[in-house]
Amino acid sequence: GQQVMQIPQYQHVQEGEDFTTYCNSSTTLSNIQWYKQRPGGHPVFLIQLVKSGEVKKQKRLTFQFGEAKKNSSLHITATQTTDVGTYFCAGPNYGGSQGNLIFGKGTKLSVKP
Amino acid sequence: DAGVIQSPRHEVTEMGQEVTLRCKPISGHNSLFWYRQTMMRGLELLIYFNNNVPIDDSGMPEDRFSAKMPNASFSTLKIQPSEPRDSAVYFCASSPRQGWDEQFFGPGTRLTVL
Repeated sequence: GQQVMQIPQYQHVQEGEDFTTYCNSSTTLSNIQWYKQRPGGHPVFLIQLVKSGEVKKQKRLTFQFGEAKKNSSLHITATQTTDVGTYFCAGPNYGGSQGNLIFGKGTKLSVKP
Repeated sequence: DAGVIQSPRHEVTEMGQEVTLRCKPISGHNSLFWYRQTMMRGLELLIYFNNNVPIDDSGMPEDRFSAKMPNASFSTLKIQPSEPRDSAVYFCASSPRQGWDEQFFGPGTRLTVL
């Protein structure tokens, strides 16, 4: 069945270092979404990418959608302790009804001050 | 604006007991989702409603689980009887339209079944 894979599963960085998480889909996606979940919290929507090769920035966060629309990445420049959490990508689940997202397992980021 | 509201925030119960989780979606949102999150399985969709009608319940693990949405502002997820393997965080999320829009998650209910 359709899969959305994320790597790495965990990432430990020193504050100030950069961080990247990668998302790979088994199928071409019409869009991809990114969410952040703080420890003990709930997923919070960050961004949606729609176009092939699209790059969007939110302050220190850069999101990219691959040319083939099967992969995506989230890059954080100069991490801060506030970046701690788990980052999920999600894409449309074409095996389900419209509106159903399939989430990756997430990348858990820890930042050492 | 109030976000998605879930209650209770924490629930501890004994195996065999009935558990009811509640959700109030964001006003005006047409789609509502129930998810279960565990370390092993990640975030799993249990059921999805659109305009109060269940659209996809293929993620509901078994007959012990049931969900209802009697009106646009309220939904319940019931587990009867509960089992220790049901222990997880259950999230409710809502979305403005049917379609693959962003989803707004509630704070979750942490369920522990002893």
